[in-house]
Amino acid sequence: QKEVEQNSGPLSVPEGAIASLNCTYSDRGSQSFFWYRQYSGKSPELIMFIYSNGDKEDGRFTAQLNKASQYVSLLIRDSQPSDSATYLCAVNSANAGGTSYGKLTFGQGTILTVHP
Amino acid sequence: DADVTQTPRNRITKTGKRIMLECSQTKGHDRMYWYRQDPGLGLRLIYYSFDVKDINKGEISDGYSVSRQAQAKFSLSLESAIPNQTALYFCATSGASSGSSYEQYFGPGTRLTVT
Repeated sequence: QKEVEQNSGPLSVPEGAIASLNCTYSDRGSQSFFWYRQYSGKSPELIMFIYSNGDKEDGRFTAQLNKASQYVSLLIRDSQPSDSATYLCAVNSANAGGTSYGKLTFGQGTILTVHP
Repeated sequence: DADVTQTPRNRITKTGKRIMLECSQTKGHDRMYWYRQDPGLGLRLIYYSFDVKDINKGEISDGYSVSRQAQAKFSLSLESAIPNQTALYFCATSGASSGSSYEQYFGPGTRLTVT
């Protein structure tokens, strides 16, 4: 069974600190990796995606991917109270023929709280 | 205007009733998905469709059916609602293209309560 694992938290960080969110996945055929932010009662909002090993930066957010370790992380620099939300990791796995397709498997999410 | 819309946004219904949730999108995407979200269980895929003639079951399709009326419309039906179908339901879309990362974009959700 293809799985995506996240620490459910809650992860609490002070305002201005770096928040580090982690995700592991079981399917070595996984092609693309996504981070979504979800505020309580709202829909998931795409923050970033990554598909190559290494780091990808977008503003205060950095996604890190290590396919050998089957690990993807999201760093949030200069955390703000408005970053308080649940962060969902999602993985797009290849089908049996090795061609990437559009089904995502989601982790259960990590609750992040940024306190002033 | 929102790219992905869902109707209704909130619905309370009784056990045994038939209910339809509708999703429309203006993103021009060919792929559409229905998820439910329950506290502590994350997002679970109910059905997905890669084009109008392609419908696939997800991990929790029992008790649900879908209809892809057009590329832009994907409806989810509960034929005979039961209380454990009380959940937050999301529609999502993605576009297929070479080299695409297949990111999905979500509608605002429908909060369904079955009494």
